Order: sequence, then C-alpha cells, then structure tokens
Amino acid sequence: AQKVTQAQTEISVVEKEDVTLDCVYETRDTTYYLFWYKQPPSGELVFLIRRNSFDEQNEISGRYSWNFQKSTSSFNFTITASQVVDSAVYFCALLGGGADGLTFGKGTHLIIQP
Amino acid sequence: GAGVSQSPSNKVTEKGKDVELRCDPISGHTALYWYRQSLGQGLEFLIYFQGNSAPDKSGLPSDRFSAERTGGSVSTLTIQRTQQEDSAVYLCASSLASTSGNVLTFGAGSRLTVL
Repeated sequence: AQKVTQAQTEISVVEKEDVTLDCVYETRDTTYYLFWYKQPPSGELVFLIRRNSFDEQNEISGRYSWNFQKSTSSFNFTITASQVVDSAVYFCALLGGGADGLTFGKGTHLIIQP
Repeated sequence: GAGVSQSPSNKVTEKGKDVELRCDPISGHTALYWYRQSLGQGLEFLIYFQGNSAPDKSGLPSDRFSAERTGGSVSTLTIQRTQQEDSAVYLCASSLASTSGNVLTFGAGSRLTVL
C-alpha cells in the first residue's frame, strides 16, 4: 500500500520568510515518482515538480527548491522569500510502479501574510 | 483542447436526484482519472481509464457511482440517487499514459452540492 503524509495542515508566515512544507511517503516499490502540486484559491491543481526514485538530486527553480531524501522517505518543498501569491494548498503525491493513479497527501494550506 | 475541460463547473441538486459530470481530456492523452476532493480533505481516487482497457473502478465509494469513457476521449461520471455526503469537488485529470510517471493535468473541477 502507498501512503503520503503531510503532517502540516496549515502554515502561516509573513511575506519574505522562508517556509518548508514536509512530505513523507511510504511505498514498497523500488521505482516510483513523487510530485508536488499547487492548488490556488481558484481551485485548479497546478503541477510543480516530478521526481523519480533514482534521482536524489535536489532541484531549485527560482524561489522553489525540493529536497528528496530516500533514506528518510521524504520529499520536502521550500519556498524562499515567500510572497502573498504563494498562498495556496500544496499537495505532495506519489505514483508507484504498479499504481494506476496518484496517491495524494491531505495537503498543506499555506498562508502568506503581507 | 489545450487543457482538461470539465462541465458543469457548479451543480446544485436535491438529494435523491441523479447527476452527470463531464470531462474532456487533453487531445492525445490516453489515461483519464477521476478524483474527489471533499471540503478540507485531500484528493480521493475514484476511477481510472487507460485507452480501451477495462477501467480500474477500485476507488468508487459505492455502486451509486459509475463512469464511462466513450471513444477513448470524453468521460462521464454519473452519481445516482445523490446523498449529501456526495457534496464535493470532482476533479478530472488526463495524462499521456499511466506509466513512466507521466504528469497528470487536472481540470478546474465540478463542484457538486447536494441539498
């Protein structure tokens, strides 16, 4: 069975602060993929990043960075110098080798206060 | 089309009525998924279609829920005899295939309210 845990239900920070969203996953597959999606107030899920289980390199895209650590089964997401537009619900998701669909965490509601 | 299109965007119905939700995936995407997002909850997998293969219905919560995909393209999710607990946003997604970690592209969702 696959499982994704996002322990932080809601995070509130002041603009320009750095913030890290945690994601811990469980799978028995040796080949799998991890994803982060953003859901702004408009409701539509926006793809942010995909990582496969064989690539543990951290990735940086502008103010966003991701830290994938297989040893701790974690795929954490950091926003540097947060902005009000970053306010959204962020979902971590897992696709196992034999799965037919993504397994999502319950999401972290990020609130960036001006 | 350029993106995944869902209709209606909002549906209010009375308890006991049947509803149909439609999803038009991205052209060329062979995999199509339905998810349900209840208030404050994560995304719950409902059903998955891959090409002309039999769908994976393992996520459907009851036999009141069914879905079909005609011609490998448009999909319809039907909820019969709706109940108040069916109120949620129903999200459709499509991808090139179900394997190799292809990215799912989601539609804007259909918000269902059962009174």
